[in-house]
Amino acid sequence: QKEVEQDPGPLSVPEGAIVSLNCTYSNSAFQYFMWYRQYSRKGPELLMYTYSSGNKEDGRFTAQVDKSSKYISLFIRDSQPSDSATYLCAMSAWSNTGKLIFGQGTTLQVKP
Amino acid sequence: SAVISQKPSRDICQRGTSLTIQCQVDSQVTMMFWYRQQPGQSLTLIATANQGSEATYESGFVIDKFPISRPNLTFSTLTVSNMSPEDSSIYLCSVGASNQPQHFGDGTRLSIL
Repeated sequence: QKEVEQDPGPLSVPEGAIVSLNCTYSNSAFQYFMWYRQYSRKGPELLMYTYSSGNKEDGRFTAQVDKSSKYISLFIRDSQPSDSATYLCAMSAWSNTGKLIFGQGTTLQVKP
Repeated sequence: SAVISQKPSRDICQRGTSLTIQCQVDSQVTMMFWYRQQPGQSLTLIATANQGSEATYESGFVIDKFPISRPNLTFSTLTVSNMSPEDSSIYLCSVGASNQPQHFGDGTRLSIL
């Protein structure tokens, strides 16, 4: 069993839809959670960064962490064609190693 | 966030050769990392590049295959040695600090013939 599980998709939605991306994990030591967006032929770009449980909102993006269920989500409101990319969840126990464990990534296509 | 430049951006190499990838950051950073992203796969940490000491490798990765240098706080190199087709991948450099998220370069796309 992988430490982090993420549905690879692909996920296709119409423009303006609400998108929900999810990851589950098995290591209860994880306490730092990130979402990265990766466009084709580019490196991962940090979207959201949260510590422990709770919600964080940034514009059209909302990140949720439920440590009791070992489940994190990223919601995208009013999705745009420019949101078409691969979304990667990542998490860490943030020991001195700083090691990140990534999900497989979900490919999202937003159709105009 | 720091600007991270990787060179080369892509390369096609012959089996059995070696390639050195450079990572340059526009500011001093505490931690530098090297990841591999195989086709259709997620990112896997190869090693942490330590300034002034030997890199710390993850399970499954060894120094003879992936020697790493970090001569100062803004620069690191990763060498992929004695390459085989299985080494075809994207190699990514990232930077971070304690309790801060990592930021990534655009990667080096490597194909081995």
